[in-house]
Amino acid sequence: SQTIHQWPATLVQPVGSPLSLECTVEGTSNPNLYWYRQAAGRGLQLLFYSVGIGQISSEVPQNLSASRPQDRQFILSSKKLLLSDSGFYLCAWSALGGEQFFGPGTRLTVL
Amino acid sequence: DQQVKQNSPSLSVQEGRISILNCDYTNSMFDYFLWYKKYPAEGPTFLISISSIKDKNEDGRFTVFLNKSAKHLSLHIVPSQPGDSAVYFCAASERGHSGNTPLVFGKGTRLSVIA
Repeated sequence: SQTIHQWPATLVQPVGSPLSLECTVEGTSNPNLYWYRQAAGRGLQLLFYSVGIGQISSEVPQNLSASRPQDRQFILSSKKLLLSDSGFYLCAWSALGGEQFFGPGTRLTVL
Repeated sequence: DQQVKQNSPSLSVQEGRISILNCDYTNSMFDYFLWYKKYPAEGPTFLISISSIKDKNEDGRFTVFLNKSAKHLSLHIVPSQPGDSAVYFCAASERGHSGNTPLVFGKGTRLSVIA
């Protein structure tokens, strides 16, 4: 069966510091991968998605970036965090045309 | 412009009664619709889906209805249980396009089932 891992589970970072969140999927090959953010009191905002290694589509211009160095690894990064980057970050995967399955999420607080 | 809208931010229902969560969409190219359930500090979990070739899909206590002409779908939970208390997200995609289009989510409806 497929599983999706995200780490860390929680993170507190100062403004201006870098960020690296990692997501890995097991039990499937060539998944579509997604990064979402849920800000307080808001819905799920799609940040990036990837249909293959090195292929990244950005949905929202911001100071975040994503990379997919391996088939089942998706990384969300920032060089300098802003206060507005605080939120709950979710990674998800899907097979072609199928429903998305979400990881447990990372709670990021920028102080 | 929001393509998927959940106009009720919250809903309270008594245990044992029916919960009806509504969702509207504007993109006529959407052909695949899903409902997700989310508890605090957890990732959303897939609940039920429906393809645009159907108007109803049922799975246990959960039924999703699709009205394509009205661009409206609804999730019925009957009977409602306290464990159903969560935020419910409606999502849609253009599955027939390439199979690769990401889901578009609504902002969610917080369901509270009162014992």
